[in-house]
Amino acid sequence: SQTIHQWPATLVQPVGSPLSLECTVEGTSNPNLYWYRQAAGRGLQLLFYSVGIGQISSEVPQNLSASRPQDRQFILSSKKLLLSDSGFYLCAWSKDSSGTQYFGPGTRLLVL
Amino acid sequence: EDQVTQSPEALRLQEGESSSLNCSYTVSGLRGLFWYRQDPGKGPEFLFTLYSAGEEKEKERLKATLTKKESFLHITAPKPEDSATYLCAVPPPNSGYSTLTFGKGTMLLVSP
Repeated sequence: SQTIHQWPATLVQPVGSPLSLECTVEGTSNPNLYWYRQAAGRGLQLLFYSVGIGQISSEVPQNLSASRPQDRQFILSSKKLLLSDSGFYLCAWSKDSSGTQYFGPGTRLLVL
Repeated sequence: EDQVTQSPEALRLQEGESSSLNCSYTVSGLRGLFWYRQDPGKGPEFLFTLYSAGEEKEKERLKATLTKKESFLHITAPKPEDSATYLCAVPPPNSGYSTLTFGKGTMLLVSP
């Protein structure tokens, strides 16, 4: 069966510091991968998605970036965090043509 | 214009009190409507996918139905453990990579 991991689970960072969140998927190959941010009262916002190694599509221009160095690894980064980057970050994967996405446990980020 | 609108934003039920959650969508040529359950501090958990008007799917006390303009999630005789936020999502128009647009969710609280 497939599993998806995210780490860290929680993170407190000062404004202006860098960020690296990691997501890995097990039990499947060549998945589509997604990064979402969920802020209070605003729902799930798609940030990036990837259909293959090195292929990244950005949905929202901002100070975040994503990379996919390996087939089942997806990384969300920032060089300098802003207060507005606080939120709950979720990674998801999908495989078949049904489009069903399966989510990881999330990372809670607080920027102070 | 929002493609997915969920109502109510919050719903409080007594244990055993059946009710329905609504998800209305504006995309044409629907390629699937997805329901998820999200517990506080966790990633969304996939529940159902509906593809055509008239389709119904059931899981325990939950039944999802679909019309040409909306979907309902019926909760029959709910229990406190059904308390969660319920999200619906649709693929946005002109999306070829299985992306989803999510509604803001309905927060359900079932009291014993």
